[in-house]
Amino acid sequence: DAKTTQPPSMDCAEGRAANLPCNHSTISGNEYVYWYRQIHSQGPQYIIHGLKNNETNEMASLIITEDRKSSTLILPHATLRDTAVYYCIVRVGMYNQGGKLIFGQGTELSVKP
Amino acid sequence: EPEVTQTPSHQVTQMGQEVILRCVPISNHLYFYWYRQILGQKVEFLVSFYNNEISEKSEIFDDQFSVERPDGSNFTLKIRSTKLEDSAMYFCASSDLGYTFGSGTRLTVV
Repeated sequence: DAKTTQPPSMDCAEGRAANLPCNHSTISGNEYVYWYRQIHSQGPQYIIHGLKNNETNEMASLIITEDRKSSTLILPHATLRDTAVYYCIVRVGMYNQGGKLIFGQGTELSVKP
Repeated sequence: EPEVTQTPSHQVTQMGQEVILRCVPISNHLYFYWYRQILGQKVEFLVSFYNNEISEKSEIFDDQFSVERPDGSNFTLKIRSTKLEDSAMYFCASSDLGYTFGSGTRLTVV
């Protein structure tokens, strides 16, 4: 699976959009970009994933560049409860094909009042 | 919403003792996993399990670790002779169309 690079920490004001970048310059054509978050030592929580098109769900939006070498997770209106470590993970295949997730250090997002 | 359930939430054990961590994956999921996270460090993959056998394991998953699906619902991780460095959060996960983690068991070896 391709390696990802994320900033170690970011701050965001409550109510503003949080934009979390991820570089994955060695991504292959069949690799998906997944985002998870971990709130204070709880189990990682799935947020969103995509292959090449931008994706949106009730939690976030995922913007993937045309060359697929980087992506941005957008939390449109960050709340204090969004304070967490956010992980960008690149892996081959969909969940129902099994396979491990390789976690990096992630980005520690602090949402401040 | 379906959940992965782990018990106990916290376990304290003496060094050298055997410990069994229990998980109930989501019922229609086919793949099961154990991960661990030492305090302040990354979440690390330990093992994946499919069709009643190990499909992949990391170098961390040595002979002191074993996994079992003893019945149709439970998935267990056994550590035969615990060491101080086994102290960590252990997360169970299962996947099918989605990948879902449990809330973890905090294992403290004293």
